[in-house]
Amino acid sequence: NAGVMQNPRHLVRRRGQEARLRCSPMKGHSHVYWYRQLPEEGLKFMVYLQKENIIDESGMPKERFSAEFPKEGPSILRIQQVVRGDSAAYFCASSPPRFFTSGTHEQFFGPGTRLTVL
Amino acid sequence: DQQVKQNSPSLSVQEGRISILNCDYTNSMFDYFLWYKKYPAEGPTFLISISSIKDKNEDGRFTVFLNKSAKHLSLHIVPSQPGDSAVYFCAASVRETSGSRLTFGEGTQLTVNP
Repeated sequence: NAGVMQNPRHLVRRRGQEARLRCSPMKGHSHVYWYRQLPEEGLKFMVYLQKENIIDESGMPKERFSAEFPKEGPSILRIQQVVRGDSAAYFCASSPPRFFTSGTHEQFFGPGTRLTVL
Repeated sequence: DQQVKQNSPSLSVQEGRISILNCDYTNSMFDYFLWYKKYPAEGPTFLISISSIKDKNEDGRFTVFLNKSAKHLSLHIVPSQPGDSAVYFCAASVRETSGSRLTFGEGTQLTVNP
């Protein structure tokens, strides 16, 4: 009964490089959410995806950040030309389809990817 | 624009006593509230939730109270145990037809002393 998987767990990049963060949702879950936690802060919503569709990207920075959830394979959060301010923990969460009809809005979180930009 | 606020960054209680964690929100559209617990270097783990049509939900040692008029909710843990020591996040959402984002508070570090 695997939970939400994220890899890598730790990622170190130099300024200007690209960072790719992967998320495999729980089995049967078709909704994926990405959140970012800066030091000493709470989690901030970035993007909500369903298979092959971006549903809500209102929390994504306008430049350098993109996300996808292809028909096959994990969801990818991509950060181009990373800067020191991108250093944070990035969490992925998933939920089953039509979960809201069951009365719960629980999202299941992965362990996170800790990105450090040197 | 912090729509969910946890005003106490930390709380320390003795084992066996009650822990009360508080959360305030400003967005009256929120109709579902959740509490998550987080250990260092791990992802948040769901604890308990409450719909806006209720004012109380209980699950074992955990009880969540919702006061809609005050836009305030609280999490009670009784009796508190040392293993409860973690950061607790309050989160809120607006139910939509196709899923919903969570808006989190800043978290409260709970320490339960043996």
